[in-house]
Amino acid sequence: KAGVTQTPRYLIKTRGQQVTLSCSPISGHRSVSWYQQTPGQGLQFLFEYFSETQRNKGNFPGRFSGRQFSNSRSEMNVSTLELGDSALYLCASSLVVGGSYEQYFGPGTRLTVT
Amino acid sequence: DQQVKQNSPSLSVQEGRISILNCDYTNSMFDYFLWYKKYPAEGPTFLISISSIKDKNEDGRFTVFLNKSAKHLSLHIVPSQPGDSAVYFCAASSQGGSEKLVFGKGTKLTVNP
Repeated sequence: KAGVTQTPRYLIKTRGQQVTLSCSPISGHRSVSWYQQTPGQGLQFLFEYFSETQRNKGNFPGRFSGRQFSNSRSEMNVSTLELGDSALYLCASSLVVGGSYEQYFGPGTRLTVT
Repeated sequence: DQQVKQNSPSLSVQEGRISILNCDYTNSMFDYFLWYKKYPAEGPTFLISISSIKDKNEDGRFTVFLNKSAKHLSLHIVPSQPGDSAVYFCAASSQGGSEKLVFGKGTKLTVNP
């Protein structure tokens, strides 16, 4: 079974631009979560989508948004990029099995804002 | 406020010995805990999890212990292998299956041959 895929793997943008990142979950997984990883803050939860609805949201400004499509694929958008948005953006999909769940991560998209 | 803390940024052990990685949490609502391993330029890889109704879970060389009264969990790796060298993250969830995970900042494990 294919794992979580993220595109693109690397991206360089300039301040003020916007960016869209894409995530394809493992087949059959309906939940997709997004995280930001930076050296100073570690892994921080952005938001989670389930059946095309945002189910959870972290403490990030409204410039960060996302959506999920009917095939469970998800996109994340960051508008008006700032230097501090430079980070590794990770997508994870999960499946609940028998009361426990495992969350599987993709390789991430490395975003550099200059 | 950091709700999940991994107080040791790094740990070095000899091959074949036990590695013990520690994690403390402050939120008593957390009821599900996971450990991930991460190599540079890759996403975290799920290792093992534990529900708050248990105090121990084992999977091969990996064992996770949960002490709810102390709000502490630990990951034991026995025996440690050089391929275990990576950054290990502890994560917690407060909705027993919610996909919102709160992560610690990680511990870099180095296993020396």
